[in-house]
Amino acid sequence: GAGVSQSPSNKVTEKGKDVELRCDPISGHTALYWYRQSLGQGLEFLIYFQGNSAPDKSGLPSDRFSAERTGGSVSTLTIQRTQQEDSAVYLCASSLGGSWNTGELFFGEGSRLTVL
Amino acid sequence: GDSVTQMEGPVTLSEEAFLTINCTYTATGYPSLFWYVQYPGEGLQLLLKATKADDKGSNKGFEATYRKETTSFHLEKGSVQVSDSAVYFCALRGSGTYKYIFGTGTRLKVLA
Repeated sequence: GAGVSQSPSNKVTEKGKDVELRCDPISGHTALYWYRQSLGQGLEFLIYFQGNSAPDKSGLPSDRFSAERTGGSVSTLTIQRTQQEDSAVYLCASSLGGSWNTGELFFGEGSRLTVL
Repeated sequence: GDSVTQMEGPVTLSEEAFLTINCTYTATGYPSLFWYVQYPGEGLQLLLKATKADDKGSNKGFEATYRKETTSFHLEKGSVQVSDSAVYFCALRGSGTYKYIFGTGTRLKVLA
């Protein structure tokens, strides 16, 4: 597709279950970001990928959160043993990266996670 | 660390009113500054940007000027429309870094 695609768009889960959120960036975009948007809060940085490597994981809230990116394309954010405070919209964004980066992030529509 | 502070909303205006949404930042060096907009049911999209001091970004009638002396990047529009109703996010990317720091967002509602 032409844009950043995220799935699922909505996920309701029970406390303690694991969830996986998927992001398919724009083809050719080497940089990929995950953010979390909670009600009334701004966008909270979670992790950044350049290619398949993640030089900055500093935003991951706890060791229950992990992310990977394979083939320099699709990324998966995994939350283990979900808690109610994990409820939020998880946003993925991609950009060209590198010295030719225009500075524009292209966002997906997000995955809304609700933990009961 | 770097941070962005923007005015809290919601902001409610009548159509054709003048809009200002304040944004100030804290950063070392010379960050790039951005305004993103999120229309209802859509993902965030870039509205405008400025990459150096005194630059003015503009798009769709919106403008913002990079003011280093006041560390500000206020968003303005001379005459808002109902279709401008959205959430607006101010953001920065520090010089030499890849991380984008976002403000908390300001919800704008324009009434006909």
